[in-house]
Amino acid sequence: GAGVSQSPRYKVAKRGQDVALRCDPISGHVSLFWYQQALGQGPEFLTYFQNEAQLDKSGLPSDRFFAERPEGSVSTLKIQRTQQEDSAVYLCASSPRGRAGPYNEQFFGPGTRLTVL
Amino acid sequence: AQSVTQLGSHVSVSEGALVLLRCNYSSSVPPYLFWYVQYPNQGLQLLLKYTTGATLVKGINGFEAEFKKSETSFHLTKPSAHMSDAAEYFCAATGFQKLVFGTGTRLLVSP
Repeated sequence: GAGVSQSPRYKVAKRGQDVALRCDPISGHVSLFWYQQALGQGPEFLTYFQNEAQLDKSGLPSDRFFAERPEGSVSTLKIQRTQQEDSAVYLCASSPRGRAGPYNEQFFGPGTRLTVL
Repeated sequence: AQSVTQLGSHVSVSEGALVLLRCNYSSSVPPYLFWYVQYPNQGLQLLLKYTTGATLVKGINGFEAEFKKSETSFHLTKPSAHMSDAAEYFCAATGFQKLVFGTGTRLLVSP
């Protein structure tokens, strides 16, 4: 079966441009996460969805970052007016159950590498 | 709040030697603990996890880790390194849903 997919795999943006990063989770997975991985660092949590509800956005670094999952499947992470410090790999992960259940494994996509010039 | 510390940003071993990657966690409650591996230009793959029960956890590719509450540690080991083990390894913890990662350890394996 297909895993988590992300597109584009690579994105180069000029400072000030808006970008949109897409995540296709494993079909039927309830939970979806976004993480940001700066060069040489571990991934850092950005936001969490259970179905279409965004239950935690505490990791979003500024109001330039916005995420949505309108139909409870595909998710988009949008970054407005990109800055050089936004350069990172953006990882998406999905897991089969929601918040109320016992912890379940997160399955990661390959990531989108964003470079802001 | 939880935090995860990985000692050593790089570890070098010879093929066939013991692999030991260190991880310590800080948490107000016993966390769930994980080790992930990341190959170049790929996402994270789960190696093993500790939730409850047996403190010695076996994972894929011959890796194992032991949860030691008294030492707040979850070190990753493998008896004999293979060239294919060269990758970045991340320790992570969670108390609920989101994962908190360490900064990673790059494992280098020489022939």
